[in-house]
Amino acid sequence: GVTQSPTHLIKTRGQQVTLRCSSQSGHNTVSWYQQALGQGPQFIFQYYREEENGRGNFPPRFSGLQFPNDSSELNVNALELDDSALYLCASSLMSSNYGYTFGSGTRLTVV
Amino acid sequence: QKEVEQDPGPLSVPEGAIVSLNCTYSNSAFQYFMWYRQYSRKGPELLMYTYSSGNKEDGRFTAQVDKSSKYISLFIRDSQPSDSATYLCAMKTAAGNKLTFGGGTRVLVKP
Repeated sequence: GVTQSPTHLIKTRGQQVTLRCSSQSGHNTVSWYQQALGQGPQFIFQYYREEENGRGNFPPRFSGLQFPNDSSELNVNALELDDSALYLCASSLMSSNYGYTFGSGTRLTVV
Repeated sequence: QKEVEQDPGPLSVPEGAIVSLNCTYSNSAFQYFMWYRQYSRKGPELLMYTYSSGNKEDGRFTAQVDKSSKYISLFIRDSQPSDSATYLCAMKTAAGNKLTFGGGTRVLVKP
């Protein structure tokens, strides 16, 4: 499946954070979503073959990396209080319209 | 106005009852429709998926899509306490690379 680390973390406003994800074996695409409390996930961006392949309505301080070994990162600079959310990683095959496998997420709290 | 609307609930039903969930959407380009279940502190888990209009049944679950009304439904028969979770609808266009989620409906099945 998809594993994410860490499970929880607390950061101070203005700091930077890196979240990590290990994709399901065989999947070539990774997407990141932000889920605020009581809301549905919102698309941040997708990576395919280590290149960004689409971005949602998030500012450039949200950035990512995809590595050849099925791992990926989400980096957020200059943290704001509103960045507090559950961050979900989903892996899939580029050719699939349904086969998104989600991790359990990283709960980020910005104080 | 959000692209996908979903009643947040909570929806409380007795064990054994039918759970009826629905979403409305505004983007007529959506062609792939999914329902996810999300337990507390977990990532979304794919329950059902359908393409375009029609019905699909899988065990206790039935998914319906009415593209003319831009309305999708999920029915859960013989509901169990273990069905207590948040249910998210998600949609995707044919050319798109992201899932667009509803806000989720919290369901509580009481023994």
